[in-house]
Amino acid sequence: DGGITQSPKYLFRKEGQNVTLSCEQNLNHDAMYWYRQDPGQGLRLIYYSQIVNDFQKGDIAEGYSVSREKKESFPLTVTSAQKNPTAFYLCASSSDYEQYFGPGTRLTVT
Amino acid sequence: DQQVKQNSPSLSVQEGRISILNCDYTNSMFDYFLWYKKYPAEGPTFLISISSIKDKNEDGRFTVFLNKSAKHLSLHIVPSQPGDSAVYFCAASPTTDSWGKLQFGAGTQVVVTP
Repeated sequence: DGGITQSPKYLFRKEGQNVTLSCEQNLNHDAMYWYRQDPGQGLRLIYYSQIVNDFQKGDIAEGYSVSREKKESFPLTVTSAQKNPTAFYLCASSSDYEQYFGPGTRLTVT
Repeated sequence: DQQVKQNSPSLSVQEGRISILNCDYTNSMFDYFLWYKKYPAEGPTFLISISSIKDKNEDGRFTVFLNKSAKHLSLHIVPSQPGDSAVYFCAASPTTDSWGKLQFGAGTQVVVTP
């Protein structure tokens, strides 16, 4: 079954800790994206990558970091520098303009 | 600056009737538009798209209309069903952007009542 997996579905962390969200795809897509969704807001782009070992900042990259060592994987690290990390995080991949989304990770930082 | 706007945060419609969702954009470089449907605690799923060379695209119960001069698109769902209750996002991209980045609207919550 082709698709995008994100784990875990729910994640809880204490303030000041870094946390890494996993995203894996087996769709053989070159491009991968990270978004966050907050209540009443659309999806905002954090980082994106079109090819292995290359990635670009999106609209709200501050406090986040990513890596793209393999085509299938695009992990997102939420660092302690991110001021409001509690949110729903979505990973997507695409081969053209239609993006396919994973099920999301709800991160709660207290 | 929000380049894609969905000005109606919510819409309630009776089962069997038509749902009309609206979306406006400001960037004249946008020439490819998509609608996504999202259930709570899940990722969005692609519904339908339209290129700026068309003014209408239909797929089953879903039809998207594009008015380029007004920078406006709409999604029609006919007939509405209870399973259509979800948040609908409008998204847009310039096809000159080889990265395929999408700009999303804030979403419209649709509730289909019996």
